[in-house]
Amino acid sequence: AQKVTQAQTEISVVEKEDVTLDCVYETRDTTYYLFWYKQPPSGELVFLIRRNSFDEQNEISGRYSWNFQKSTSSFNFTITASQVVDSAVYFCALSEANTNAGKSTFGDGTTLTVKP
Amino acid sequence: GAVVSQHPSRVICKSGTSVKIECRSLDFQATTMFWYRQFPKKSLMLMATSNEGSKATYEQGVEKDKFLINHASLTLSTLTVTSAHPEDSSFYICSARAGSTNEKLFFGSGTQLSVL
Repeated sequence: AQKVTQAQTEISVVEKEDVTLDCVYETRDTTYYLFWYKQPPSGELVFLIRRNSFDEQNEISGRYSWNFQKSTSSFNFTITASQVVDSAVYFCALSEANTNAGKSTFGDGTTLTVKP
Repeated sequence: GAVVSQHPSRVICKSGTSVKIECRSLDFQATTMFWYRQFPKKSLMLMATSNEGSKATYEQGVEKDKFLINHASLTLSTLTVTSAHPEDSSFYICSARAGSTNEKLFFGSGTQLSVL
């Protein structure tokens, strides 16, 4: 069975601070996909990244970066120089290969509040 | 980019009435759409997979007669909550996939249902 754990329920930082959101997953599959989504107060989930299990390269996109470590089953997300607009709920998700991404297992989410 | 439109964004209804929620893919064809339920400060729970031209596939524990799904075209899926009760009050979200199985999902903005 798959499981995604986002241990941090809520995080509060001051603008310009760096913040890391943790994601730990469990799966028996050797091929799988990991996702991060952002859910702002408006409610719509926004796709941030997809990573397959064979690609352990870290990725940077502007102020966002992701650290994928299979050895610890973690896929952590860092926001550098946080901004108020980063305030949202962030979800980590896992789906097995050949399983529709819509059937992903989602973590419970981390609510990030960035204060001015 | 791909957009999924979900309506209404908020609905209040009396107990015993039925409510229909629409999910449209605006600039792509979606043979498969997904319906989720999200409780406050909780993760997304997949309710069902909506397949164009065929019956929806429901997750375990989801009453198919209670939550009717129709996917009559490649751009529209509807979720009807029949004979709604206060316990059906929740945030409902749809998503659609614009590509292959594990491509990213595009989410609607959600519908907050309140049953009095």
